[in-house]
Amino acid sequence: QKEVEQNSGPLSVPEGAIASLNCTYSDRGSQSFFWYRQYSGKSPELIMSIYSNGDKEDGRFTAQLNKASQYVSLLIRDSQPSDSATYLCAVTLGSNNLFFGTGTRLTVIP
Amino acid sequence: DVKVTQSSRYLVKRTGEKVFLECVQDMDHENMFWYRQDPGLGLRLIYFSYDVKMKEKGDIPEGYSVSREKKERFSLILESASTNQTSMYLCASSLWAGNYGYTFGSGTRLTVV
Repeated sequence: QKEVEQNSGPLSVPEGAIASLNCTYSDRGSQSFFWYRQYSGKSPELIMSIYSNGDKEDGRFTAQLNKASQYVSLLIRDSQPSDSATYLCAVTLGSNNLFFGTGTRLTVIP
Repeated sequence: DVKVTQSSRYLVKRTGEKVFLECVQDMDHENMFWYRQDPGLGLRLIYFSYDVKMKEKGDIPEGYSVSREKKERFSLILESASTNQTSMYLCASSLWAGNYGYTFGSGTRLTVV
């Protein structure tokens, strides 16, 4: 069973703060890691991917991967109300199938 | 940009009806997937396909079937709709998920009454 665990939240942060979203996975063979953002009533959209240990930055978003500890995180700097959404973590073992967590709901308070 | 198009945004069907959900992608992707998403349960994989005429069961295939007659089109069929199939249905496609992840369609919110 390939498990991807996320804290369901809700996670509330004030506008301008750093939001930290965490994800752990059970299969040590996991190779690629993705973060999706899903607004209420909409479909998931890919915002970050990471494949090797360390940090990967894209604008206000930073993905962090630690394969030894089997976790991946997403940091959102200078959080905005428009960042309020559910964030899904997904992993793959290198096949064509992604395994998704159930998502963390983030609310950014103006 | 890859476009994954789902034919209906909202659908209301009666119990016992046969329901067809259509998904079309325009980037020659080999791989296509059908998920349903329910509050608190996350995304659950119904069926997937790696090639034309090929299909594989996902985690919750009961009550569903699929058809992939052309590479760009992957159809989900509810043989006899039931109220517990009321859900958001999401189609996704990928070239190689390990590198690129999935691209999702906009979803179909199906209500069975």
